[in-house]
Amino acid sequence: AQKVTQAQTEISVVEKEDVTLDCVYETRDTTYYLFWYKQPPSGELVFLIRRNSFDEQNEISGRYSWNFQKSTSSFNFTITASQVVDSAVYFCALFFTGGGNKLTFGTGTQLKVEL
Amino acid sequence: GAVVSQHPSRVICKSGTSVKIECRSLDFQATTMFWYRQFPKKSLMLMATSNEGSKATYEQGVEKDKFLINHASLTLSTLTVTSAHPEDSSFYICSARFRNNYGYTFGSGTRLTVV
Repeated sequence: AQKVTQAQTEISVVEKEDVTLDCVYETRDTTYYLFWYKQPPSGELVFLIRRNSFDEQNEISGRYSWNFQKSTSSFNFTITASQVVDSAVYFCALFFTGGGNKLTFGTGTQLKVEL
Repeated sequence: GAVVSQHPSRVICKSGTSVKIECRSLDFQATTMFWYRQFPKKSLMLMATSNEGSKATYEQGVEKDKFLINHASLTLSTLTVTSAHPEDSSFYICSARFRNNYGYTFGSGTRLTVV
């Protein structure tokens, strides 16, 4: 079964703290893609990153970083020095080549960054 | 690049009427578009996949006659909620897949309220 699990429903941090959002996935495919999206209160989904299954290099983009570990089927997302504007729901998603072009979403993690 | 425009952003309609939501890819051709529904504080639930020039593929449990999807061109897909009822009130969001690419971009969503 193809599945994405985001066990953290809600996380609250104080501004400038680092925070890691967990994502664990299940797939039988050897070729797949993993995504992270941000959904601010306005509702639109903002693309953050796409990573294919053959590229396990970690990635850093400004305050954002991603840790892809195939051995544990995880694709975790860390925000360094969080800011209030980071408050949003974050979704992890999986695309696999045998899945009819569909994205499978996790249940999302609500991040609240307070002053 | 890869912008998807979704209209309207908000709509209030009376019970029993139909509402059409448009999703346009502005600067690319989208062979496949997806329609999602999102309940408050919940994840995105895929309703259907629409392919240009062919019938949409609906997910299990989604009523085809209630949620009519048309994908007449490579840049436009529409979702019509027919004979809307209050339980159809929700946030609807479309997504388009880039041609020959594993990228997905999302519209800004439509908040439908049926009174």
